[in-house]
Amino acid sequence: KNEVEQSPQNLTAQEGEFITINCSYSVGISALHWLQQHPGGGIVSLFMLSSGKKKHGRLIATINIQEKHSSLHITASHPRDSAVYICAVISGEGAQKLVFGQGTRLTINP
Amino acid sequence: GAGVSQSPSNKVTEKGKDVELRCDPISGHTALYWYRQSLGQGLEFLIYFQGNSAPDKSGLPSDRFSAERTGGSVSTLTIQRTQQEDSAVYLCASSPGSHYGYTFGSGTRLTVV
Repeated sequence: KNEVEQSPQNLTAQEGEFITINCSYSVGISALHWLQQHPGGGIVSLFMLSSGKKKHGRLIATINIQEKHSSLHITASHPRDSAVYICAVISGEGAQKLVFGQGTRLTINP
Repeated sequence: GAGVSQSPSNKVTEKGKDVELRCDPISGHTALYWYRQSLGQGLEFLIYFQGNSAPDKSGLPSDRFSAERTGGSVSTLTIQRTQQEDSAVYLCASSPGSHYGYTFGSGTRLTVV
């Protein structure tokens, strides 16, 4: 079993829909990252969380440390949001390497 | 520079040849990371540099892989005697420190034929 599990693996939705991508992890962490990777493109860091909730534009990320779970939400989704969204954790104090989930491929149809 | 710069963007090499991949991090970022993304696979950690500390090499898949970071800035990832399974996108990222977000480079797509 992977230390970081994402669901769903693939998600297709219509423009305007509210999107939720989930991430569960099995290790103690010091921080969790949400990353975005467009087809053929590089990786962009969206959020780094250690507690609570962060919002940037139409993107919202939440984390529940007790439940070892994080969610990424996209409001009013748009075709340009189509990308792979990757959850990654830094496991424990002193550790610095990211442990990645397998990613969620999101497709937003117009 | 404004972002993390990697070169070359694409590299095709013959099996058995050595390759060097370069990463130029954001000026002032003390932490530098190398990751690899193989076709159809997720991302995997390779190596981490933090300031003048000894690097964390725990993700390097074999002794054919090595990396150095000169002067706390530019880093070079070297793969000796390349194999076809080394084909992947090699990504570099830098960060101001452990409690900050990462900035990723665009990656080097390595193809071993």
